[in-house]
Amino acid sequence: EAGVAQSPRYKIIEKRQSVAFWCNPISGHATLYWYQQILGQGPKLLIQFQNNGVVDDSQLPKDRFSAERLKGVDSTLKIQPAKLEDSAVYLCASSPGTVINQPQHFGDGTRLSIL
Amino acid sequence: GQQVMQIPQYQHVQEGEDFTTYCNSSTTLSNIQWYKQRPGGHPVFLIQLVKSGEVKKQKRLTFQFGEAKKNSSLHITATQTTDVGTYFCAGLEGYSTLTFGKGTMLLVSP
Repeated sequence: EAGVAQSPRYKIIEKRQSVAFWCNPISGHATLYWYQQILGQGPKLLIQFQNNGVVDDSQLPKDRFSAERLKGVDSTLKIQPAKLEDSAVYLCASSPGTVINQPQHFGDGTRLSIL
Repeated sequence: GQQVMQIPQYQHVQEGEDFTTYCNSSTTLSNIQWYKQRPGGHPVFLIQLVKSGEVKKQKRLTFQFGEAKKNSSLHITATQTTDVGTYFCAGLEGYSTLTFGKGTMLLVSP
């Protein structure tokens, strides 16, 4: 089966600019996650969707970050405006079904650098 | 909030030596998952532990879940250069979201 697809792979922007990331999960996977991974740390959950509904966005900085999964399939994550501390790899993951304790399948991520 | 701590942060071994990483949670977990991330790659699911005291093996890898379900370990016997990467534990408290540890980076010299 095809894996989780993410684009772009790399993005360099200046602070205060906006940026968007796209994710297409594994076909049929109901749950989609966006993580932020800062160098040397583990992935930190930003938002979790089940189908097109938000399950958990408690760690999403909502003043600058937004995410949507309109048709319950692919998803976009946006940052506006970007800050220097947003430099990180943004990982998308998906899992089948709606039960939280299922293995997550990760995409290759988008490496974001803020100048 | 829930915290998951891993030690050591980094370990460098000679090929053939054993390796162990430990994961500790501030709260009781309903289950724990282990992932491996190769340099420049993405996390890949290894295993999930659910039961108190559970032990699972995958070839040279042995995973344990503590009796109190607050700690876990991953042991690799006779490391190989292909074992290089960062190993993350991720704990689930109840039906909340997974919390990842900071990981243990393993370097294996031939």
